[in-house]
Amino acid sequence: AQSVAQPEDQVNVAEGNPLTVKCTYSVSGNPYLFWYVQYPNRGLQFLLKYITGDNLVKGSYGFEAEFNKSQTSFHLKKPSALVSDSALYFCAVREQGNQGGKLIFGQGTELSVKP
Amino acid sequence: EPEVTQTPSHQVTQMGQEVILRCVPISNHLYFYWYRQILGQKVEFLVSFYNNEISEKSEIFDDQFSVERPDGSNFTLKIRSTKLEDSAMYFCASSEQGVGTEAFFGQGTRLTVV
Repeated sequence: AQSVAQPEDQVNVAEGNPLTVKCTYSVSGNPYLFWYVQYPNRGLQFLLKYITGDNLVKGSYGFEAEFNKSQTSFHLKKPSALVSDSALYFCAVREQGNQGGKLIFGQGTELSVKP
Repeated sequence: EPEVTQTPSHQVTQMGQEVILRCVPISNHLYFYWYRQILGQKVEFLVSFYNNEISEKSEIFDDQFSVERPDGSNFTLKIRSTKLEDSAMYFCASSEQGVGTEAFFGQGTRLTVV
């Protein structure tokens, strides 16, 4: 069965420091991987995705993520955090063979960036 | 920028009542989804819809739930007889394709069953 794990419920970072939000996944085939961000009382906003090709993908707002097949990970990173990055971040996976497009989400990681 | 819109933003209903949650997906998208998020928990897949039929549904999506695309623009989720445990934020999403493209989410409908 497909699953996604985000091992940290909360990540605290000082503004200007690099941030990492961790994600590991389990699928039976090759994965498509996604990161979404959720601000309070808002929907999910797409940040970036890995489909194929370069393991380092870049997305919105300066975020990037690295796909590591051997470690089945897709950690979200940003070189310099902003206070406005504070939000709930979700990692999601979709199996390549899943024509229906279902996303399986992790439980979310609350990112808090302090000035 | 095109977006997925959902109405209403908040609905309160009595247990046992029927509710219909409405969504207008992005116009050129072909795949439509409903997800839900119970307060403090993760986002859960309910159903995907393509070519006027359900592509996939989760165990949560039992006979109490149904989806419909009544016209060329709307996509609805009906819960026939609501239970307290149906209280959640319901998100509609759409994507151009089912596989390699990202899903775009609406802002959600908060359903409160009392």
